[in-house]
Amino acid sequence: EAGVVQSPRYKIIEKKQPVAFWCNPISGHNTLYWYLQNLGQGPELLIRYENEEAVDDSQLPKDRFSAERLKGVDSTLKIQPAELGDSAVYLCASSLGGRSGEAFFGQGTRLTVV
Amino acid sequence: AQSVTQLGSHVSVSEGALVLLRCNYSSSVPPYLFWYVQYPNQGLQLLLKYTSAATLVKGINGFEAEFKKSETSFHLTKPSAHMSDAAEYFCAASEYGNKLVFGAGTILRVKS
Repeated sequence: EAGVVQSPRYKIIEKKQPVAFWCNPISGHNTLYWYLQNLGQGPELLIRYENEEAVDDSQLPKDRFSAERLKGVDSTLKIQPAELGDSAVYLCASSLGGRSGEAFFGQGTRLTVV
Repeated sequence: AQSVTQLGSHVSVSEGALVLLRCNYSSSVPPYLFWYVQYPNQGLQLLLKYTSAATLVKGINGFEAEFKKSETSFHLTKPSAHMSDAAEYFCAASEYGNKLVFGAGTILRVKS
């Protein structure tokens, strides 16, 4: 069974440019998460989807970040415009849902803003 | 708000020695608890999880963790460290399955 797939793995952009990350969750997983991992820190939730619905986007900086999950499968996270402080690893995860919250993570996209 | 504290940002052990990584949680209800491992430039891989079935949880690669409600702890152990265990380890908690709250991570170094 394929795991969570993210692309690209690495991205370098200049500040003020837009960038987009793509995630394909494990088949059958209705819950999808985007986490932000800054250097030397644990991941922090940006947004959680249940099928197509964003049920928790309280930590998503909506002035520059946006996300979508069309048809309840793949998801895209976008930043426009990017700032130097956005340099980090963006992790996508998926789960079957349920009370435990166990999530399976992709390899992440490392963003460098110069 | 729920929080997870990992004591020690760096832990160094000799190959063959006991590994002990500490994790304490703060939660108003007994949470679900997890340990994940992250190798350089990789995503997070689940090592083990506590979901109230048993307080001593065994995971992959010889790791285990014990849930102690009285101490609000979920420390990760391995009897004998291997060079391949060198990585960063994250403890995480989930109260109602809505999201994972992570600790800051502990980098494990294994000396030969």
